Amino acid sequence: DGGITQSPKYLFRKEGQNVTLSCEQNLNHDAMYWYRQDPGQGLRLIYYSQIVNDFQKGDIAEGYSVSREKKESFPLTVTSAQKNPTAFYLCATRSGTSGGTYEQYFGPGTRLTVT
Amino acid sequence: AQKITQTQPGMFVQEKEAVTLDCTYDTSDPSYGLFWYKQPSSGEMIFLIYQGSYDQQNATEGRYSLNFQKARKSANLVISASQLGDSAMYFCAMREGMDSGGYQKVTFGTGTKLQVIP
Repeated sequence: DGGITQSPKYLFRKEGQNVTLSCEQNLNHDAMYWYRQDPGQGLRLIYYSQIVNDFQKGDIAEGYSVSREKKESFPLTVTSAQKNPTAFYLCATRSGTSGGTYEQYFGPGTRLTVT
Repeated sequence: AQKITQTQPGMFVQEKEAVTLDCTYDTSDPSYGLFWYKQPSSGEMIFLIYQGSYDQQNATEGRYSLNFQKARKSANLVISASQLGDSAMYFCAMREGMDSGGYQKVTFGTGTKLQVIP
């Protein structure tokens, strides 16, 4: 079945530790995105990648890092430099086909709690 | 100024009734698109409907329709015949053209929590 997987669903870390959130897709989509969602707020873009080996900062990239070594995978590392890392993290993809509706497809999300 | 404004933090609707969720947007880009997503308590975002800025007719997808009023910059979601499974957060979002790298910027509103009452 085609889709986006994010693991784990819940993640707990101690302050000062780096943590990597996984995002894998088998939709053969070119573009992949990482969003952060806080209570009462909409989604905010952290990083995006249009193609393999290329990625760009979004609106709130500070304290985060990514890699895109394979088309299927776009892992997000939350570093100790991120001041408020506790949040819900969503990975999304979009087909690179021009035209169409450009809708994004989302994974189930990872809820990160840092204490 | 907010790019996407959803003024209703929470809404209640009786089962089988219709409900309208409001969304206004702000852009100077002549080419843009508007989306609605549903987020159940499980957390994943589910795409519902899309309206392009040049589309002449309002978009419809099953029980969902988008009331697009371009001059007023509004893109309200109408859900007909509400069901208990419609209880969720609903987000309006807008894409604004593409930059030189092919990236389409997408901005999300803060969402409306819809609760369907039996």
